[in-house]
Amino acid sequence: AQTVTQSQPEMSVQEAETVTLSCTYDTSESDYYLFWYKQPPSRQMILVIRQEAYKQQNATENRFSVNFQKAAKSFSLKISDSQLGDAAMYFCAYRSVTGNQFYFGTGTSLTVIP
Amino acid sequence: GAVVSQHPSRVICKSGTSVKIECRSLDFQATTMFWYRQFPKQSLMLMATSNEGSKATYEQGVEKDKFLINHASLTLSTLTVTSAHPEDSSFYICSASFRDRTNQPQHFGDGTRLSIL
Repeated sequence: AQTVTQSQPEMSVQEAETVTLSCTYDTSESDYYLFWYKQPPSRQMILVIRQEAYKQQNATENRFSVNFQKAAKSFSLKISDSQLGDAAMYFCAYRSVTGNQFYFGTGTSLTVIP
Repeated sequence: GAVVSQHPSRVICKSGTSVKIECRSLDFQATTMFWYRQFPKQSLMLMATSNEGSKATYEQGVEKDKFLINHASLTLSTLTVTSAHPEDSSFYICSASFRDRTNQPQHFGDGTRLSIL
């Protein structure tokens, strides 16, 4: 099975600053999908951004962008101009093109300091 | 708007009670639904994969007779925690995905917080 590793259990960032959350994964597949999900205190899982492995261009969604390094199997999330509402648990996830199952990392708890 | 509805959002009941949690896909037909369990400040732990019209596939260590899953239609999957005990208290989340559309994210329900007294 694929494994997804988030090496930062906790991170903090000053409001309006930029923070990067790291994620690495292990796979033998050449094509797959990667996602970042946000889970605020309400516990709802919210999709932040996704990346197709066959695309070299890094995905961007407003203040959220990724740095996808396929050879290094790295998929970091950059949050620019951090806002108080960004405080949450962030989960990195991997999905194979051949299956439905997602593999989640252990999560990073992000605190935004006013 | 929400594409997956999970109900109830919170359950508090006595030990020995069986509890049913429903997961409905609202805008699409979900041939596959997933059931996760999440402990505080931990990641989602996949319990089982629910396939419409067939038996669920359980992850290793998950008791099939304890956690009954039924996926009788393309829009509804249910998880029944049978004879629940305090150690079953947890946060349970379902998700659904489009059939054969692996580039799509999973859509999650809002979760059910189960507390067994």
